Amino acid sequence: AQTVTQSQPEMSVQEAETVTLSCTYDTSESNYYLFWYKQPPSRQMILVIRQEAYKQQNATENRFSVNFQKAAKSFSLKISDSQLGDTAMYFCAVNAGNNRKLIWGLGTSLGVNP
Amino acid sequence: DGGITQSPKYLFRKEGQNVTLSCEQNLNHDAMYWYRQDPGQGLRLIYYSQIVNDFQKGDIAEGYSVSREKKESFPLTVTSAQKNPTAFYLCASNDRWGDEQFFGPGTRLTVL
Repeated sequence: AQTVTQSQPEMSVQEAETVTLSCTYDTSESNYYLFWYKQPPSRQMILVIRQEAYKQQNATENRFSVNFQKAAKSFSLKISDSQLGDTAMYFCAVNAGNNRKLIWGLGTSLGVNP
Repeated sequence: DGGITQSPKYLFRKEGQNVTLSCEQNLNHDAMYWYRQDPGQGLRLIYYSQIVNDFQKGDIAEGYSVSREKKESFPLTVTSAQKNPTAFYLCASNDRWGDEQFFGPGTRLTVL
């Protein structure tokens, strides 16, 4: 069975600082996709970043980047220059195997303090 | 603008009543999904559909039903058999395996 674990239920960071959210996963598939989604207080789910497992290069999107360690099955999200608008729940998810289902972690609640 | 709409935003229902949540997309996506979100439990898949007139049960399908008669529409019915239906419901869609799922704004269902 595929699983996704986010070991930090809550985190906080000061504005302009850097924070890293951890995610580990388990799958026996060789090809899969990894995602980080953000859910702000409005509850609208928004894609932050997507990583294809066969690509060794870590994905980046502006202030957001990932550290993808395939052998360790780790997919952490780094947020640089944190902004108040980054306050949200962050979910890690994996799409593996020949099916459409996303497997979700339980989320990390991130608070950015002024 | 392309996107996913869900209606209504808030829904109240009396115990014993069925209720249908609407989900419409104009992204021309083949696949659509329904999730339930409860505090501390992340997202749980209820049903998904990969193509018109076909759908599969997710992890928590009991007490729910769906239909997919049109590509753009995937309504979810919460039946009276669902023991604890009060939750936040999210609809999503995507095109190919591995693609980003796009989400609607959600419906908050409360059973009175």
